[in-house]
Amino acid sequence: DIQMTQSPSTLSASVGDRVTITCRASQSISSWLAWYQQKPGKAPKIMIYKASSLESGVPSRFSGSGSGTEFTLTISSLQPDDFATYYCQQYNSYPWTFGQGTKVEIK
Amino acid sequence: QVQLQESGPGLVKPSGTLSLTCAVSGGSISSTNWWSWVRQPPGKGLEWIGEIYHSGSTNYNPSLKSRVTISVDKSKNQFSLRLSSVTAADTAVYYCASRNGEVLLTSFDFWGQGTLVTVSS
Repeated sequence: DIQMTQSPSTLSASVGDRVTITCRASQSISSWLAWYQQKPGKAPKIMIYKASSLESGVPSRFSGSGSGTEFTLTISSLQPDDFATYYCQQYNSYPWTFGQGTKVEIK
Repeated sequence: QVQLQESGPGLVKPSGTLSLTCAVSGGSISSTNWWSWVRQPPGKGLEWIGEIYHSGSTNYNPSLKSRVTISVDKSKNQFSLRLSSVTAADTAVYYCASRNGEVLLTSFDFWGQGTLVTVSS
């Protein structure tokens, strides 16, 4: 299985901050990486697919980059609605696997 | 837009079988989508369980493969999960999700709202 490791596990930030979350894969996954946002009691929501493609309807303050084994999710100016947990997921090979999550909380 | 809705018992006894159904609306289960189950233990991360295509072709997570069966019912536009020999470690919110199967490698674009299944006597 491909292991996905996110850092940090928790991130404290303020509204307006630039935030970066890192996701590392245990082997190359090309660009087959997605980012999901999950709020308490809700299902995950796709934000970014194929490492850097913004899902329709997702604000442009979200961006993704990377390829191979190292990826980042950046929120350029954190908004109140962005406080949530973010998961990366590889879909390069079975079984599909997720990172352990990064909780973005209010500082 | 595809909508997914999970249903099934919220409580299952240890050593029993967990059975859930995901109803698909806003689209046909015979479309080019793959239909998945993903679970999330309370306070923990996401684990992919397996997926099915309308043809009946399946892919399972090896960590659960010996206990999992995913099936599709085209007449009811739904698919189902059975997980046998459950223990407390199987307590989780179970989500159904879909991904576009028109290309080989795609992310999950639609999710159900999730249903909590507790394994307890």
